[in-house]
Amino acid sequence: EPEVTQTPSHQVTQMGQEVILRCVPISNHLYFYWYRQILGQKVEFLVSFYNNEISEKSEIFDDQFSVERPDGSNFTLKIRSTKLEDSAMYFCASREQVIFYEQYFGPGTRLTVT
Amino acid sequence: DAKTTQPPSMDCAEGRAANLPCNHSTISGNEYVYWYRQIHSQGPQYIIHGLKNNETNEMASLIITEDRKSSTLILPHATLRDTAVYYCIVRYYGGSQGNLIFGKGTKLSVKP
Repeated sequence: EPEVTQTPSHQVTQMGQEVILRCVPISNHLYFYWYRQILGQKVEFLVSFYNNEISEKSEIFDDQFSVERPDGSNFTLKIRSTKLEDSAMYFCASREQVIFYEQYFGPGTRLTVT
Repeated sequence: DAKTTQPPSMDCAEGRAANLPCNHSTISGNEYVYWYRQIHSQGPQYIIHGLKNNETNEMASLIITEDRKSSTLILPHATLRDTAVYYCIVRYYGGSQGNLIFGKGTKLSVKP
């Protein structure tokens, strides 16, 4: 069964450093998402991406964040200058064209900012 | 989007049916009910969705009341692996680009 994959599974970085989280969505999916979950809190939407551009973003997704689909398979989330409060699980998700809310999530990347 | 209310936690005996309720009294006519779950710290997993008819798939059944103000997710024979947080989400089918809004959900504990 096809699945969304994410790398790395755990990333430790120092405050102020740039990090790139990588995702490989399911191959025939067209919509891509990033969510995050701070430990013990709710899953929060960050950004959606379709047709090579951001289609929607939350208030969390400020200028420190960016997304890219550099090739036909990868989907990345970059945090330019990490802060302690960026420590969280980051989930990538993708979906097909038609069913808006049937999304397939990856296993997540645990980001720890020290 | 309609607000949902779920109990914070529930227990269920292994092998028994788990019935997880969700209230969505402000749901509008074009909003669907979606259920996801999150096992430990894994990525959320889609379970099922419905509009007004009852739905069943290989994972679960979804019962939506006639007035659509509440629904129940049924896991017919719960196993230990069904221990997870279950999220009821109400969203307009064609709204925005499909971003999901998660609440706190119901933490289901399946006990042997």
